[in-house]
Amino acid sequence: DAGVIQSPRHEVTEMGQEVTLRCKPISGHDYLFWYRQTMMRGLELLIYFNNNVPIDDSGMPEDRFSAKMPNASFSTLKIQPSEPRDSAVYFCASRYSGREEETQYFGPGTRLLVL
Amino acid sequence: SQQGEEDPQALSIQEGENATMNCSYKTSINNLQWYRQNSGRGLVHLILIRSNEREKHSGRLRVTLDTSKKSSSLLITASRAADTASYFCATGGTDSWGKLQFGAGTQVVVTP
Repeated sequence: DAGVIQSPRHEVTEMGQEVTLRCKPISGHDYLFWYRQTMMRGLELLIYFNNNVPIDDSGMPEDRFSAKMPNASFSTLKIQPSEPRDSAVYFCASRYSGREEETQYFGPGTRLLVL
Repeated sequence: SQQGEEDPQALSIQEGENATMNCSYKTSINNLQWYRQNSGRGLVHLILIRSNEREKHSGRLRVTLDTSKKSSSLLITASRAADTASYFCATGGTDSWGKLQFGAGTQVVVTP
């Protein structure tokens, strides 16, 4: 298996622009998580889905952030408009609920810089 | 907010030495997991210990869990330069949907 795939790996944009981050979970996994990692705040859970349905979005910073999962193999995290404080590494992770080991498998991350 | 708090924040050791890091948490848990993150990479799962377990081993890793003290420790024996990474504990709550709360991490540097 290719693991969790994220794109782009790096994104540099200007304040006010729309940013879309993409994630392909591991095939067969029914949970998908979006995290944000910064030096100041560490690793924060933004939102997670179960069977493509958003379960908890309480970690989403504000209305500028939105996430969708139109099918089991694809999810997007959108920031519109972007701000410099959104600069961070964004990780997607997936998990299969049927396994006894409740392991989350992380993608390589998208490093976002908003100028 | 972060559930787990790792201690120390940073650790520098030489190859062959053991590395020990601790994690404390606040609420009841179903399980506690340890992850490793190499610089510029995603997190990789190392080991999981359930709330009814006290100790678990995996290769050079040894994890302990004390639910009465709400704390866990990760021991890496005979460390190697390749163990240089940040290590995070993550707790799964009793009501979780598989949601984990991560600590701030311990940065470990192993020098040859």
